[in-house]
Amino acid sequence: AQKITQTQPGMFVQEKEAVTLDCTYDTSDQSYGLFWYKQPSSGEMIFLIYQGSYDEQNATEGRYSLNFQKARKSANLVISASQLGDSAMYFCAMRALYSGAGSYQLTFGKGTKLSVIP
Amino acid sequence: GAVVSQHPSRVICKSGTSVKIECRSLDFQATTMFWYRQFPKQSLMLMATSNEGSKATYEQGVEKDKFLINHASLTLSTLTVTSAHPEDSSFYICSAPRPPNYGYTFGSGTRLTVV
Repeated sequence: AQKITQTQPGMFVQEKEAVTLDCTYDTSDQSYGLFWYKQPSSGEMIFLIYQGSYDEQNATEGRYSLNFQKARKSANLVISASQLGDSAMYFCAMRALYSGAGSYQLTFGKGTKLSVIP
Repeated sequence: GAVVSQHPSRVICKSGTSVKIECRSLDFQATTMFWYRQFPKQSLMLMATSNEGSKATYEQGVEKDKFLINHASLTLSTLTVTSAHPEDSSFYICSAPRPPNYGYTFGSGTRLTVV
């Protein structure tokens, strides 16, 4: 079984500042993938970044970076230079990585609502 | 690429009626489709997994007869909420795995309101 914990229900950040959204996970799988999604008020799920458990380097995608600490089972999202458009819900998610059928489902955390202040 | 088109985006229906939600993969074949439900200010909860040509797998606590899922082709999966009641009002969203990098493509979601 997999579990994702996001302990910050809401976060505020000043525009142009950096912010870290916390995510810890628990799994018995040796190989897994970690995802971050952004959900604006429209409801769509926007993929931000992906980290594989065996990736040696932390993932980066533009202003997004994932601070992956495997021993601590944490996968925090760092958003640099926050913009007003970054205000949204952010979900951390994970899935097991193996070729067997039925292994594709994502487990989501409860989310963090980020508000960017002008 | 890898777009999942979900319709309708919003629907209001009367209590007791049925509503069908469609998810179409536009430029790839979706052999698997995940259906999620999301209540306001909550996370996405997996309802069921549909696989083309076979019966859907429902998560514990999800009524199979109420939430009918059909995945008759490699590009279309549907969720029908039968005999809808106000407590079924929610945001429903589908998602298909998108190889090869273990990613997923989500539909844009359907906001269902039962009155």
